[in-house]
Amino acid sequence: GAVVSQHPSWVICKSGTSVKIECRSLDFQATTMFWYRQFPKQSLMLMATSNEGSKATYEQGVEKDKFLINHASLTLSTLTVTSAHPEDSSFYICSARSGRLGRDTQYFGPGTRLTVL
Amino acid sequence: DAKTTQPNSMESNEEEPVHLPCNHSTISGTDYIHWYRQLPSQGPEYVIHGLTSNVNNRMASLAIAEDRKSSTLILHRATLRDAAVYYCILRQTGANNLFFGTGTRLTVIP
Repeated sequence: GAVVSQHPSWVICKSGTSVKIECRSLDFQATTMFWYRQFPKQSLMLMATSNEGSKATYEQGVEKDKFLINHASLTLSTLTVTSAHPEDSSFYICSARSGRLGRDTQYFGPGTRLTVL
Repeated sequence: DAKTTQPNSMESNEEEPVHLPCNHSTISGTDYIHWYRQLPSQGPEYVIHGLTSNVNNRMASLAIAEDRKSSTLILHRATLRDAAVYYCILRQTGANNLFFGTGTRLTVIP
C-alpha cells in the first residue's frame, strides 16, 4: 500500500512553545491530507482537511489559529501546534488520499505523540 | 455521516477465523463500507472496502448483507499480529474524509 510518514514520531515540549509536525506521502501525490487527534483510549477525531495550495477546512471546535496547517506541496503537509498546553498532549495522525490511487482509499501515517509539560 | 455499530470487544483464538460484525442500518445507496484497523500506538491501516458485492484481498474478506444494513469483516486465520482495534466506517461516494467510531478491540489468544 501507499506510504505516509510523519516526523517526529514523538515530541516533548514545554508549555507555551510551538511544535511542528510534518506529514509526507512518500510514493504518491496527495491531493488531500487530513489531520486527526486521538486521546488515550478514544477514537480518532478529525481536526481538519487540507487540499494542496488552499486553506484548510477545520472541524467544529478546532481552533484554526492554534492548529496551523500548511499543505504547500502534493507530498507535504505540516501541522503546527502553537502555544502548546498540557491539554494539547495527544496522538496526532495525518492521512493522505490520492485521486490517482483511488478516491476511496485513505492512507494514514504512523502518528506523532505530543507531550506538553 | 451514517452511523455504524460495532461490539466494543471480541476475542479469538490464534489460527482460527474471526468474524467482526458491523451494523449500519441507515446506510445510503452511495455509501461505501470501509474497514481500517489500528495497532497499539500506530496510525490506522487500511484493510478493505466495498459497496455491494463481497470483497476479498490478501488481508481479509468483506461480506456485505444483501440489504447492506450490515457487514462482516472476516480474518481467515487470526494471528497475534491481528490484535488491534477494527473500525467499520461508511463514506459517501465523493465525500472527502473518514469519521471514526469506537471500533472493536480484537484480542487474539495464543
